[in-house]
Amino acid sequence: GDSVTQMEGPVTLSEEAFLTINCTYTATGYPSLFWYVQYPGEGLQLLLKATKADDKGSNKGFEATYRKETTSFHLEKGSVQVSDSAVYFCALSERTGTASKLTFGTGTRLQVTL
Amino acid sequence: NAGVTQTPKFQVLKTGQSMTLQCAQDMNHEYMSWYRQDPGMGLRLIHYSVGAGITDQGEVPNGYNVSRSTTEDFPLRLLSAAPSQTSVYFCASRAGGVYEQYFGPGTRLTVT
Repeated sequence: GDSVTQMEGPVTLSEEAFLTINCTYTATGYPSLFWYVQYPGEGLQLLLKATKADDKGSNKGFEATYRKETTSFHLEKGSVQVSDSAVYFCALSERTGTASKLTFGTGTRLQVTL
Repeated sequence: NAGVTQTPKFQVLKTGQSMTLQCAQDMNHEYMSWYRQDPGMGLRLIHYSVGAGITDQGEVPNGYNVSRSTTEDFPLRLLSAAPSQTSVYFCASRAGGVYEQYFGPGTRLTVT
């Protein structure tokens, strides 16, 4: 079945540091890939997505590129802020699926300090 | 638009009690889902619905029932609560043909 593997956290960075959160996936077809963010006490929000190989999703300074050859979708940001402190989830959805199903990774907690 | 709303925000149950977690969306979305979030396990799909009157099981359906009588509402019923059902529950919805899911704020359930 489908699965998503994320690097374990927590990740602690100083403000303005470079961020990478690794994500790799296993899927039988051609999935769409997502990064969701969960701020403390809130539900998940879609951060960015990519629907086919070599697509780059970007939003709020975050980027991730769909790499089919390495089955990866790593999240990056050049300069993190304290307000980026949250839990980040990598997820996939099979392109051919009609059901409302996402397969999530376990989440990576990011803590940004001054 | 209120988006996806969930009630209650917090609930404590005793083992064996039953309750219903409410979920509603005002975006006319066809698809709705229930997930549970547990530490170190990410989110796991409990049940989902592709339209009014149509539901199906997800990854961890045991101990939960759902129904979808209207497009807007998708309640989750715990028939006989167990400590293993202590978790944070999220409802989500999306439009047909679109992959982005909108999540509610969650219900934190504790079963003692």
